[in-house]
Amino acid sequence: GQSLEQPSEVTAVEGAIVQINCTYQTSGFYGLSWYQQHDGGAPTFLSYNALDGLEETGRFSSFLSRSDSYGYLLLQELQMKDSASYFCAVKVSGNTGKLIFGQGTTLQVKP
Amino acid sequence: DTEVTQTPKHLVMGMTNKKSLKCEQHMGHRAMYWYKQKAKKPPELMFVYSYEKLSINESVPSRFSPECPNSSLLNLHLHALQPEDSALYLCASSLLGGGTDTQYFGPGTRLTVL
Repeated sequence: GQSLEQPSEVTAVEGAIVQINCTYQTSGFYGLSWYQQHDGGAPTFLSYNALDGLEETGRFSSFLSRSDSYGYLLLQELQMKDSASYFCAVKVSGNTGKLIFGQGTTLQVKP
Repeated sequence: DTEVTQTPKHLVMGMTNKKSLKCEQHMGHRAMYWYKQKAKKPPELMFVYSYEKLSINESVPSRFSPECPNSSLLNLHLHALQPEDSALYLCASSLLGGGTDTQYFGPGTRLTVL
């Protein structure tokens, strides 16, 4: 089977740093993506890692270790607007771009 | 322009109705996707069109019928739906040229089946 594991909920305060982990077990692997989704909104792309290491985009960073089948999303200088659901997703097909999504992590940022 | 548009935003239909959801992108993307999403759950892939051909059908019931008239348009035809089909239906598109191959999602159609 194919599975991605991530925590269901994380709570942090404004200005803090939070890390959301994702472990995966899939039949194919082309890369690990992260998506953010606010209540009532559509998923929006945050980052993508195809190779091991850290990718930084502003306050958000994403890390991948293919040997450990593990990645994480790091959110720094948390803001209230970061309260949302965060999904990791593995691209399992190069021909179709098919993604397998994790169950999602609900991040609540408190003042 | 990284926009995927979907119409309608909301749809209420009876179990005997026939309706269609529409999706459009003008980014030159060659793959388009239909997802179904229930509250507090991840998007669940239904169909993938690659280069205007149906490449993935995730064992979706035949009451859902996808159509890709051209590379910019994607439809989802609905017929004889069940109340459990009520969900947010998301369309996405991607370049399909390798690399990041980011999927860009539309705002979705919130479907209620009575």
